[in-house]
Amino acid sequence: DQQVKQNSPSLSVQEGRISILNCDYTNSMFDYFLWYKKYPAEGPTFLISISSIKDKNEDGRFTVFLNKSAKHLSLHIVPSQPGDSAVYFCAAAATGANNLFFGTGTRLTVIP
Amino acid sequence: DSGVTQTPKHLITATGQRVTLRCSPRSGDLSVYWYQQSLDQGLQFLIQYYNGEERAKGNILERFSAQQFPDLHSELNLSSLELGDSALYFCASSVSSGRPYNEQFFGPGTRLTVL
Repeated sequence: DQQVKQNSPSLSVQEGRISILNCDYTNSMFDYFLWYKKYPAEGPTFLISISSIKDKNEDGRFTVFLNKSAKHLSLHIVPSQPGDSAVYFCAAAATGANNLFFGTGTRLTVIP
Repeated sequence: DSGVTQTPKHLITATGQRVTLRCSPRSGDLSVYWYQQSLDQGLQFLIQYYNGEERAKGNILERFSAQQFPDLHSELNLSSLELGDSALYFCASSVSSGRPYNEQFFGPGTRLTVL
């Protein structure tokens, strides 16, 4: 049972435009959310996170939005750069648990 | 480079066999996490060790086991291998147990192919 879902396996965006990656979750106990970025032949690296007490967190070109009522979060990258081309994983953590639940990833391609 | 090392990078074996995957955490990190990424799947949490003791267990099969040694490196043992065990296996490490999760650093993974 996939508790964190990324329904778009891939996304292509022109350089300089906005990239929006989406993530849905089903477990109402999730209270902390993260985005990881993965290049080929490398492990995932942390990008940005958000606590359930917030609805927005921004770090440079990256902003994560959380809509708790919809159980939905999104990652916005503005402006998109070719170096942003990677697989992006959404992850969630539940209260009292140690482990992360990951989505299946979205492959972002930024076209120069 | 995350500072987490995993060996081997690739492993090809046959059904029914047993393999051992090794992970060395970043210097100073006490927690080690193991994840499995099958084709078109997200990373599935398998197990976590903290300073030598099992701390959390996820979707780990009974055929799989892990341990963390006194020098803090960890091994994931997979036995009676099946075709469906073919996957990328990631190790991650962190200083503490649990949060904050942004402090989990991932290794490059071991790609296991079962023929």
